[in-house]
Amino acid sequence: EDKVVQSPLSLVVHEGDTVTLNCSYEVTNFRSLLWYKQEKKAPTFLFMLTSSGIEKKSGRLSSILDKKELFSILNITATQTGDSAVYLCAVAPPTGTASKLTFGTGTRLQVTL
Amino acid sequence: GAVVSQHPSRVICKSGTSVKIECRSLDFQATTMFWYRQFPKQSLMLMATSNEGSKATYEQGVEKDKFLINHASLTLSTLTVTSAHPEDSSFYICSATGENYGYTFGSGTRLTVV
Repeated sequence: EDKVVQSPLSLVVHEGDTVTLNCSYEVTNFRSLLWYKQEKKAPTFLFMLTSSGIEKKSGRLSSILDKKELFSILNITATQTGDSAVYLCAVAPPTGTASKLTFGTGTRLQVTL
Repeated sequence: GAVVSQHPSRVICKSGTSVKIECRSLDFQATTMFWYRQFPKQSLMLMATSNEGSKATYEQGVEKDKFLINHASLTLSTLTVTSAHPEDSSFYICSATGENYGYTFGSGTRLTVV
């Protein structure tokens, strides 16, 4: 059975701190790993990672994938209260299969003043 | 960018009635749509995968007669919760994917059954 595990489950940090969120996976078929941010409504897309070792950046957020060790990290530097959310990691299989995402349980991040 | 519209955003219905939730891809053709359910403080749980013009594939434990999914066109999928009960109260989210378009989520529907 495909499995995606995120850690930590929850995290409380002070504004300005840097955080690292982890996502490990064991899946039968892998195409890409996706990171989403979920506040009160549906998840919003952050990154899609397909190749190992290539860092993707968007402002204070960055992410990288290690396909040998089967994990990814999401870094947030200089955190702000607006970063408070649940961060979801998901793995997508190759196209041509059912193509459904397998989600991790999420990491709940709270950034305090 | 790809946009998926989900409607309604919030619905309250009486126990025993049916509720229909719509998911539309506004600017791309969604060959596949996914329906998720999310309980408070939990991750998304995939309920079913629907491909345009064919029957939906339901995940284990999801009652297909209770959660009717129709994907009649490349831009619209509907989820109907039939004979709703209070335990069906949840947050339902759709996601769509198409050629050259990744997974885009709708804004979700919060269903409360009273």
